[in-house]
Amino acid sequence: DAGVTQSPTHLIKTRGQQVTLRCSPKSGHDTVSWYQQALGQGPQFIFQYYEEEERQRGNFPDRFSGHQFPNYSSELNVNALLLGDSALYLCASSLVPVMNTEAFFGQGTRLTVV
Amino acid sequence: AQSVTQPDIHITVSEGASLELRCNYSYGATPYLFWYVQSPGQGLQLLLKYFSGDTLVQGIKGFEAEFKRSQSSFNLRKPSVHWSDAAEYFCAVPGDYGGSQGNLIFGKGTKLSVKP
Repeated sequence: DAGVTQSPTHLIKTRGQQVTLRCSPKSGHDTVSWYQQALGQGPQFIFQYYEEEERQRGNFPDRFSGHQFPNYSSELNVNALLLGDSALYLCASSLVPVMNTEAFFGQGTRLTVV
Repeated sequence: AQSVTQPDIHITVSEGASLELRCNYSYGATPYLFWYVQSPGQGLQLLLKYFSGDTLVQGIKGFEAEFKRSQSSFNLRKPSVHWSDAAEYFCAVPGDYGGSQGNLIFGKGTKLSVKP
């Protein structure tokens, strides 16, 4: 059983560019959450998708957007990249957005903005 | 607002020694509490969680944690550390009351090093 898979594992972008990160949830999961983890920090919640809609959002600007597809996979898009967007981006999946279902994390995408 | 504080940035223990990692939380209701571990180059793995009931919670890999409401703490312990326990440990609370485990507020983490 494949767990949460994220692609790519690493990428380098230039300031001002746009980037798309992808996440495939664990088999049977229908809810996807995205986190940003800057170096030396804990993960910070960006947003959560369920039933192809953004259900919850953390304190991130509109440059961060997402999408969930009918097969439950998800994309995170970041526009107008800043140096400060350099971080590890983690995806977590769970079965329905309720407290008693465990969220499983992918290994992350390391984004470097130069 | 909910928050998590992990006072220790880096801890070094000898292999076979006991371990306690500290976590203090701020939460406006009966808290749900989590401990995660992140090994280098890996995602986060859930070690244990507290929802209600017994305040001493057992987790995977021989870890346990004790919820102390009076101290707003949820410290992680292990009686005997193994070299493979070297990793970063994160304490977390839900980002919204009664929400989901997909929306969590994490502490800044404690990096554990293990001496042979």
